[in-house]
Amino acid sequence: DIQVTQSPSSLSASVGDRVTITCRTSQTIGRLLNWYQQKPGQAPNLLIYGASLLQTGVSSRFSASGSGTTFTLTITSLQPDDFATYFCQQSHLSPWTFGLGTRLDLK
Amino acid sequence: EVRLVQSGAELKKPGESLRISCKSSGFTFSRSWIAWVRQTPGKGLEWMGTIDPGDASTSQSPSFQGHVTFSADKSLDTAFLQWDTLRASDAGIYYCARLTHYFGSETYYVFDLWGQGTAVAVSP
Repeated sequence: DIQVTQSPSSLSASVGDRVTITCRTSQTIGRLLNWYQQKPGQAPNLLIYGASLLQTGVSSRFSASGSGTTFTLTITSLQPDDFATYFCQQSHLSPWTFGLGTRLDLK
Repeated sequence: EVRLVQSGAELKKPGESLRISCKSSGFTFSRSWIAWVRQTPGKGLEWMGTIDPGDASTSQSPSFQGHVTFSADKSLDTAFLQWDTLRASDAGIYYCARLTHYFGSETYYVFDLWGQGTAVAVSP
């Protein structure tokens, strides 16, 4: 299975900050990497697919990049609604696997 | 409204059987793929497998193969996840999700619509 490692596992920030989360995979996956946001008590929600493509309806404050084995998700001008847990997921090879998540909380 | 609505929380004993459901609305169920994803504190999110309700074909993660069964009833627009013999380690939150593919420079597979989750507790 492809291992997916996220860092950091948790992150504290303030409203208005810019944060970056990193995702690394154990083998190259091209650009087949998705990002999800999950709020407490809710299901994950797709933010980014294909490493950098914004899902319809997602704020442009979210951006992502990367290819191969290293990927990043950046959130600019943090809003109160952004404090949540973020997961990356590879769709290159079955079984599709997720990172363990990065919890973003309010400093 | 496009949505997936899952059945309610379950409390079961080890060795018991269980079937949970995921009802779709607002899109063509038989032309979609439905995945099941487990979430636990220890292992996070785990893709369990996917079913094509159109022909009932499935793709399963080796981690879950042989222990769970995926099924779908097109007449009800509903997918099911079933255990014949539950273990304590099956406890977790189970999500159904629509697996969609987007075409671009590559084919992107995404979980673009999720149910609200079904919490399963397994305890003597």
